[in-house]
Amino acid sequence: SQQGEEDPQALSIQEGENATMNCSYKTSINNLQWYRQNSGRGLVHLILIRSNEREKHSGRLRVTLDTSKKSSSLLITASRAADTASYFCATDAGGGSYIPTFGRGTSLIVHP
Amino acid sequence: EAQVTQNPRYLITVTGKKLTVTCSQNMNHEYMSWYRQDPGLGLRQIYYSMNVEVTDKGDVPEGYKVSRKEKRNFPLILESPSPNQTSLYFCASSLQAGGQETQYFGPGTRLLVL
Repeated sequence: SQQGEEDPQALSIQEGENATMNCSYKTSINNLQWYRQNSGRGLVHLILIRSNEREKHSGRLRVTLDTSKKSSSLLITASRAADTASYFCATDAGGGSYIPTFGRGTSLIVHP
Repeated sequence: EAQVTQNPRYLITVTGKKLTVTCSQNMNHEYMSWYRQDPGLGLRQIYYSMNVEVTDKGDVPEGYKVSRKEKRNFPLILESPSPNQTSLYFCASSLQAGGQETQYFGPGTRLLVL
């Protein structure tokens, strides 16, 4: 069962623009993570935000979490062509669940 | 270097011919898991293991087997592969089970079953 769903499915922007992608989930969570996947390769962890946090930054990444709306957003500022990748959110199901579940991902293309 | 390795990286086989995809991690992680990735479906978990000799089914376990005899290894076995198992497979590990743990992914194994 897929807990997180990313939106949009695909996003195409110019270098220098900001990219925003969203993740919605269905049940309460303890943590939410964002991962990045370059074409056909393994996922790489970007950032984790806990359920009691509202915002977190890491370099050009800004993640927000709204537990009342069961949603999170990932903002990449001043995007670069090298940011072209798919981005996934992963959530646990809360309540002691051990199993992280991934959404279908947002495919981001940054044009030089 | 801390890493998760998978072998083979690419595999073409025929229906019914048993195969094993190996996964190994050198980080002393307790939790390991297998995912398959298909277009439009994202990542779906096949099996996971909380520790040695402890394995459990994920969302799509049918047609797959796993074993965890050693902490570092978590092979995925397809006893009788079928074309619907053509997919991109990823092994992942984390220090422990839990949503707060970062998962480290292998490079992927692209499987084609004819």
